[in-house]
Amino acid sequence: KAGVTQTPRYLIKTRGQQVTLSCSPISGHRSVSWYQQTPGQGLQFLFEYFSETQRNKGNFPGRFSGRQFSNSRSEMNVSTLELGDSALYLCASSSGQPTNYGYTFGSGTRLTVV
Amino acid sequence: DAKTTQPNSMESNEEEPVHLPCNHSTISGTDYIHWYRQLPSQGPEYVIHGLTSNVNNRMASLAIAEDRKSSTLILHRATLRDAAVYYCILRGFYNQGGKLIFGQGTELSVKP
Repeated sequence: KAGVTQTPRYLIKTRGQQVTLSCSPISGHRSVSWYQQTPGQGLQFLFEYFSETQRNKGNFPGRFSGRQFSNSRSEMNVSTLELGDSALYLCASSSGQPTNYGYTFGSGTRLTVV
Repeated sequence: DAKTTQPNSMESNEEEPVHLPCNHSTISGTDYIHWYRQLPSQGPEYVIHGLTSNVNNRMASLAIAEDRKSSTLILHRATLRDAAVYYCILRGFYNQGGKLIFGQGTELSVKP
């Protein structure tokens, strides 16, 4: 079956702009989580959506937001971009059930802010 | 979720077994031990998870100490494609929120 698809793969934006990233989870998965990866901070949890509702949130400023559609596809938005937002943004999908099976990650979107 | 401690890096020779250790002395009774790995330029990939008993799958084996304060991921025959950063993560049974807390992981290099 198809994996987790993230678009675009690469993005260059200017400081102050906003950006929207997209994630299509594995078919049938209702949970989508977003992570930011930087060399200095490693992988950090942004937020998770399940059935169109945000279920959990990490410690990021309000400039980072997301949403999930009825087909489980998710978008995350970063407004007023800062140089420090340059990172690899990863999404992960799962069935969302309270089990402990693994999450499937996409290959990420590499965002560069100049 | 409790914290894990892993060595920053390890080296292995191709076709030899690799034992990647993880300490989690503050693990609670309902914490599962998960392992992920991240190959260069890719997102993390689920490897294996367990609670108390040792676990095997097609990718690796997970050996869990009797007191559960440590675990070891075992790659039986390392290949060059196994060169990656390996993350040991604790996930509470009641953690439904998709939040995985990644540490710095162990960077495994495999020499031909």
